[in-house]
Amino acid sequence: GNSVTQMEGPVTLSEEAFLTINCTYTATGYPSLFWYVQYPGEGLQLLLKATKADDKGSNKGFEATYRKETTSFHLEKGSVQVSDSAVYFCALIRGRGGADGLTFGKGTHLIIQP
Amino acid sequence: NAGVTQTPKFQVLKTGQSMTLQCAQDMNHNSMYWYRQDPGMGLRLIYYSASEGTTDKGEVPNGYNVSRLNKREFSLRLESAAPSQTSVYFCASSVRPGQNTEAFFGQGTRLTVV
Repeated sequence: GNSVTQMEGPVTLSEEAFLTINCTYTATGYPSLFWYVQYPGEGLQLLLKATKADDKGSNKGFEATYRKETTSFHLEKGSVQVSDSAVYFCALIRGRGGADGLTFGKGTHLIIQP
Repeated sequence: NAGVTQTPKFQVLKTGQSMTLQCAQDMNHNSMYWYRQDPGMGLRLIYYSASEGTTDKGEVPNGYNVSRLNKREFSLRLESAAPSQTSVYFCASSVRPGQNTEAFFGQGTRLTVV
């Protein structure tokens, strides 16, 4: 079946540090890949996505590249801010329809200290 | 611009009680989903409705039932609540099932079963 593995936190960084959150996946076919972010007390929001190999998703300074050869979709940001503190979820929708929705990783709690 | 609205936001139940979690979306989406979020587990799919008039089991359906009342509304029912159902429940919707569609999430219902 499908699965997503991401580094578990909490990850604590200082403001302006470089961020990498690793994500690898197992899926049949050619899934689409997503990063969602959850701020305290809120639901999940789409951060970025990529739908085919070598695609790069980007938003709000965050980037992730769909690497089929390594089955990875690592999230990066060059200079984090305190406002980036949140829980980040890597997710996929399987190929061929994906009517059964997203498969999520366990989430990575990111804490940015001033 | 309401998006996905869930009610209630918080609920405490006694073991064996029943309740219905309500979800409504105003984006004219075809597909709707119920997830539960538990610490260290990420989000897991309980049930989904790919389109009005259809519902299907997800990864963890035991102890739950759903009703797709119309295109806007998708409710989740706990017939006899158990402490293992203590969780945060999220409803989500997407314009259609499939790979390239973003899921929009409600703010969640925090349920405690004592």
